[in-house]
Amino acid sequence: GDSVTQMEGPVTLSEEACLTINCTYTATGYPSLFWYVQYPGEGLQLLLKATKADDKGSNKGFEATYRKETTSFHLEKGSVQVSDSAVYFCALNAVYNFNKFYFGSGTKLNVKP
Amino acid sequence: DVKVTQSSRYLVKRTGEKVFLECVQDMDHENMFWYRQDPGLGLRLIYFSYDVKMKEKGDIPEGYSVSREKKERFSLILESASTNQTSMYLCASSSPGQGPYEQYFGPGTRLTVT
Repeated sequence: GDSVTQMEGPVTLSEEACLTINCTYTATGYPSLFWYVQYPGEGLQLLLKATKADDKGSNKGFEATYRKETTSFHLEKGSVQVSDSAVYFCALNAVYNFNKFYFGSGTKLNVKP
Repeated sequence: DVKVTQSSRYLVKRTGEKVFLECVQDMDHENMFWYRQDPGLGLRLIYFSYDVKMKEKGDIPEGYSVSREKKERFSLILESASTNQTSMYLCASSSPGQGPYEQYFGPGTRLTVT
């Protein structure tokens, strides 16, 4: 069945460091891919998305590229800020059922000043 | 902006109580969802609804039921709360007309069952 695997956290970085959070998926066909972010005490917010192979989603300095050949959608940011501290979820939207989302287990990012 | 609200941010209930969690969305979305979020497990789908009075079981429906009498409101019911239902509950909505069907989430309800 469809699934999403993302790197375990927590990830601790100093401010202005580079960030990569790995995400790989298993799916039938070519699903849409998402990164959601959850700030402390809040619900999930959509960070970025990509709907087809080689698409690059970007928002707030974060980027992720839909790689069909490696079934990956890694999240990257060149210079993190303390305000980026949150939990990040990779997710896919199943092709065969658009109501079905599969979420990764989440990666907690701590950014220190 | 889509707004999804949940009736309580924090809730403490006793074992055996009947618990109602309410969710309201203001964007006329057809689809609504209930998830629970547990550390290390990510989000797991409990139930979803694609229309008024319509519902489908998700991955972990046992011990839960839902009600959708109006389009904007989706309720999650714990018939007899148990300690293993202590969790964060997240409501979400989406519209099939807005591909790729991204989901919009409420702030969550942290339920503790003692």
